[in-house]
Amino acid sequence: AQKITQTQPGMFVQEKEAVTLDCTYDTSDQSYGLFWYKQPSSGEMIFLIYQGSYDEQNATEGRYSLNFQKARKSANLVISASQLGDSAMYFCAMRDNYGQNFVFGPGTRLSVLP
Amino acid sequence: ETGVTQSPTHLIKTRGQQVTLRCSSQSGHNTVSWYQQALGQGPQFIFQYYREEENGRGNFPPRFSGLQFPNYSSELNVNALELDDSALYLCASSWGTGRKNTEAFFGQGTRLTVV
Repeated sequence: AQKITQTQPGMFVQEKEAVTLDCTYDTSDQSYGLFWYKQPSSGEMIFLIYQGSYDEQNATEGRYSLNFQKARKSANLVISASQLGDSAMYFCAMRDNYGQNFVFGPGTRLSVLP
Repeated sequence: ETGVTQSPTHLIKTRGQQVTLRCSSQSGHNTVSWYQQALGQGPQFIFQYYREEENGRGNFPPRFSGLQFPNYSSELNVNALELDDSALYLCASSWGTGRKNTEAFFGQGTRLTVV
């Protein structure tokens, strides 16, 4: 069974600084995908970034990058130059290559301070 | 915006009643998945529909059922509502199954309160 762990219930960061949100995962699959989603108070899950298990390069999408360490089974999200609009819940998720469903972690609430 | 629309946005029901939640998938998407997100938790997979057939189910009882229509929109039905069914219900649409990097586009959810 797949499992996602996010050990930081809440994080604070100063505006314009970088922040790292931790994610570790457990799976017996060899091929899988790791995702990060942002959930503002409106409820919608907004896709941020994807990393495939066989991708050699760490994924980057604008201010978001994913620090993928396969041996440690970690997939940390790095947000550079934080903005006030980044305040939200952040979920790490994984999906096997059958693509049937996501397994989500419990989330981290990020608060960006002015 | 993702193009995935859920209705209604909020709903209050009484314990024991039945509820139907609706989801219009993004144009071109033929797969719809439903998730339940209890307060303060991550979403939990309920089931997935692919081309009008159930294509996988999470650990939810049979009183959670669904449908997918020829236009790929979907319904989630919950019978005999319990207080613990109070949650945000999220619908996600995607194209196909088995593609490792398929994104899923989520709707804004339906917040169900059971009293």
